[in-house]
Amino acid sequence: EAGVTQFPSHSVIEKGQTVTLRCDPISGHDNLYWYRRVMGKEIKFLLHFVKESKQDESGMPNNRFLAERTGGTYSTLKVQPAELEDSGVYFCASRPDRDNEQFFGPGTRLTVL
Amino acid sequence: GESVGLHLPTLSVQEGDNSIINCAYSNSASDYFIWYKQESGKGPQFIIDIRSNMDKRQGQRVTVLLNKTVKHLSLQIAATQPGDSAVYFCAEPREGGNKLTFGTGTQLKVEL
Repeated sequence: EAGVTQFPSHSVIEKGQTVTLRCDPISGHDNLYWYRRVMGKEIKFLLHFVKESKQDESGMPNNRFLAERTGGTYSTLKVQPAELEDSGVYFCASRPDRDNEQFFGPGTRLTVL
Repeated sequence: GESVGLHLPTLSVQEGDNSIINCAYSNSASDYFIWYKQESGKGPQFIIDIRSNMDKRQGQRVTVLLNKTVKHLSLQIAATQPGDSAVYFCAEPREGGNKLTFGTGTQLKVEL
């Protein structure tokens, strides 16, 4: 069974540009999460989808971040416009309803110059 | 606010030795913890979990100890191997288990 996949694996952009990260959860997992790790710090929760609905977006830093999950399958996280402090590794995770374990993707390393 | 996962940043051990990675938390009401392993280029991977009604839980080569009195938990890895090199995080699921709160992580380096 394929795990959680994320695209791209790396992205280098300039301040002010737009970047869209994609996450494909494990098939059949209704729960999808985004997390972020800024260099050397803890991994922080950004938001949680249940199918296509945002269940909790309390961790989203500001309105430059927009997450979507149209159709309840894959999800995108758009940063517009990107700022230097947005650099970090963005992880996606998914979880089936009847299990507590979240399965993480490999992450997207975002560098904003 | 309440914190979880105050780690030492780096731990170096010799191959074959036992490793102990520590984690402190501040919320005395915390009742469930998970240890994750993150290898370079990969996402965090579940290793072992423990609930507050237990003091100890063992897995394959790993043991987690929970001391609720001092709000401390540890991950012990027996006979550490090069493949154990990774960043280890303790984490606490909150908000009904949907919001993992991680610590800063400990980088485990295994020296040959």
